[in-house]
Amino acid sequence: AQSVSQHNHHVILSEAASLELGCNYSYGGTVNLFWYVQYPGQHLQLLLKYFSGDPLVKGIKGFEAEFIKSKFSFNLRKPSVQWSDTAEYFCAVRETNAGKSTFGDGTTLTVKP
Amino acid sequence: DAGVTQSPTHLIKTRGQQVTLRCSPKSGHDTVSWYQQALGQGPQFIFQYYEEEERQRGNFPDRFSGHQFPNYSSELNVNALLLGDSALYLCASSSTTSGSPGTDTQYFGPGTRLTVL
Repeated sequence: AQSVSQHNHHVILSEAASLELGCNYSYGGTVNLFWYVQYPGQHLQLLLKYFSGDPLVKGIKGFEAEFIKSKFSFNLRKPSVQWSDTAEYFCAVRETNAGKSTFGDGTTLTVKP
Repeated sequence: DAGVTQSPTHLIKTRGQQVTLRCSPKSGHDTVSWYQQALGQGPQFIFQYYEEEERQRGNFPDRFSGHQFPNYSSELNVNALLLGDSALYLCASSSTTSGSPGTDTQYFGPGTRLTVL
């Protein structure tokens, strides 16, 4: 069975600091990978996704993620965070051509102004 | 373009009761998936509907059932409610590519907050 591990439960940063959130998954086959964000009081929104091709994917709001197949990882990065990035971030993995997505338990990011 | 909509927003039930939650997918989407998100956890897959049939199911008991209508909207039914069913229930819709249901990106609705007393 698939599982997704997000190692950081809560990250606190100051504005302009760089961000990296870890995501590792366990599944030996071909996968699609996602990062979702949930801002306070809002619903889950897609930040970025990887289906195939260039393992470095760019998403909205300056976020990017790198798929490293050999490490089963899909870490999220942003060079300079803003106060408005305060939110909960979820990594998800889905077997290619399957409907079910498996989510990690999320990382709460707090950015201090 | 309306996104995924869910109703009701909040619901309070007592143990043993039954509940029905509703979801309208994003325009152009034909596949609906339901997830349960308990406090402090990520969403957990309940099941997925495509062409009015349940296509895939997660590790949830038979008390959880669903339905998809010809207009692609969907319902989630939970019978014999338990305290542990208290959670945010999320609906996600997607379109079908390459003949495989729901293989495109999923878009989530705002959820229904269910509290079981």
